[in-house]
Amino acid sequence: KAGVTQTPRYLIKTRGQQVTLSCSPISGHRSVSWYQQTPGQGLQFLFEYFSETQRNKGNFPGRFSGRQFSNSRSEMNVSTLELGDSALYLCASSLVAGTSGAHEQFFGPGTRLTVL
Amino acid sequence: KNQVEQSPQSLIILEGKNCTLQCNYTVSPFSNLRWYKQDTGRGPVSLTIMTFSENTKSNGRYTATLDADTKQSSLHITASQLSDSASYICVVGGKGSSNTGKLIFGQGTTLQVKP
Repeated sequence: KAGVTQTPRYLIKTRGQQVTLSCSPISGHRSVSWYQQTPGQGLQFLFEYFSETQRNKGNFPGRFSGRQFSNSRSEMNVSTLELGDSALYLCASSLVAGTSGAHEQFFGPGTRLTVL
Repeated sequence: KNQVEQSPQSLIILEGKNCTLQCNYTVSPFSNLRWYKQDTGRGPVSLTIMTFSENTKSNGRYTATLDADTKQSSLHITASQLSDSASYICVVGGKGSSNTGKLIFGQGTTLQVKP
């Protein structure tokens, strides 16, 4: 079974631009979560989608948005990029929604975004 | 405030030796605790997941323990190998209206295994 895939793997943008990242979950998984990882802050939760609906959202500004399609693929968009948005963006998929249960999340390799 | 703190921040050990990584958390109410291994440039991979009622779980040479009363967890690595060199991240899942669906991540412990 193929794992979680993310595209592109690397991206370079300039301040003020916008960017769209894509995530394809494991076949059959309907939950997709997005995370930002930086050396200073570590991994931080952005949002979770299940069946095309946003179920939970972390503490990020409105410039960060996402959506999920009927085939469970998800996209994340960041508008008006800032230097501080440079990070590794990870998505993770799981069979069910939420993380209050002990079901496993499977992470993709991430998209490395550099903002100049 | 929900927090997960890990220690040490970094660790260097010789191949074949054992080591223990620590995780303290203040997430409440608590649902589950996970340990992930993250190799450089790759996404995290789950090692163990424990719920409130579990106090130990093993995955090969990795053994995680959980003390929900003291809100502490440890990850013990036995007979370390060079491939164990990675970042180990402790993650706590909360429950309840304010925590459901949110995982709180520790900063990670960077382990380097030397030959």
